[in-house]
Amino acid sequence: DAGVTQSPTHLIKTRGQQVTLRCSPKSGHDTVSWYQQALGQGPQFIFQYYEEEERQRGNFPDRFSGHQFPNYSSELNVNALLLGDSALYLCASSLTGDGANVLTFGAGSRLTVL
Amino acid sequence: AQSVTQPDIHITVSEGASLELRCNYSYGATPYLFWYVQSPGQGLQLLLKYFSGDTLVQGIKGFEAEFKRSQSSFNLRKPSVHWSDAAEYFCAVGDLGTGTASKLTFGTGTRLQVTL
Repeated sequence: DAGVTQSPTHLIKTRGQQVTLRCSPKSGHDTVSWYQQALGQGPQFIFQYYEEEERQRGNFPDRFSGHQFPNYSSELNVNALLLGDSALYLCASSLTGDGANVLTFGAGSRLTVL
Repeated sequence: AQSVTQPDIHITVSEGASLELRCNYSYGATPYLFWYVQSPGQGLQLLLKYFSGDTLVQGIKGFEAEFKRSQSSFNLRKPSVHWSDAAEYFCAVGDLGTGTASKLTFGTGTRLQVTL
């Protein structure tokens, strides 16, 4: 049973560019959340998608946007990249209504902005 | 707003020694509490969780944690550390809010080094 898969694993962009990161949730999961983990820090919540809608959002600017597809997979888009956007981006999936409310994380996409 | 404090940035223990990683949280209601472990270049793996009930929870890899409401703490323990336990450990508090899954607030992590 495949867990959460993310692509690409590593990528390098320059300031001002745009990036799209992709996530396939664990089989059977329907909710996808995205987190940003800067070097030496704990992950920070970006937003969460369920039924193709953004349900919750953390303290991130509108440059960060997302999408969820009918098959529950998700994309994270970041526009006008800044040096400070360099981080590990983690996708997590879960099953709505699961009382355990446990997130399963992927290995992440490491973004470097030059 | 909820928050998590992990006061120890870096801890070194000898293999076979006991371990306790500290975690303090701030949350207005009964929290969902989690401990995750992250190995270099890897994502986060859930070690254990607390939602309600017994305040001593058992997790994977021989880890346990105790929820103490009076101290707002959720410390992680292991009686005998193995070299493979060397990793970064994150404590987190979860808030369902308006969403359909926990929105986690993480601490800054504790890096565990194990000496042989």
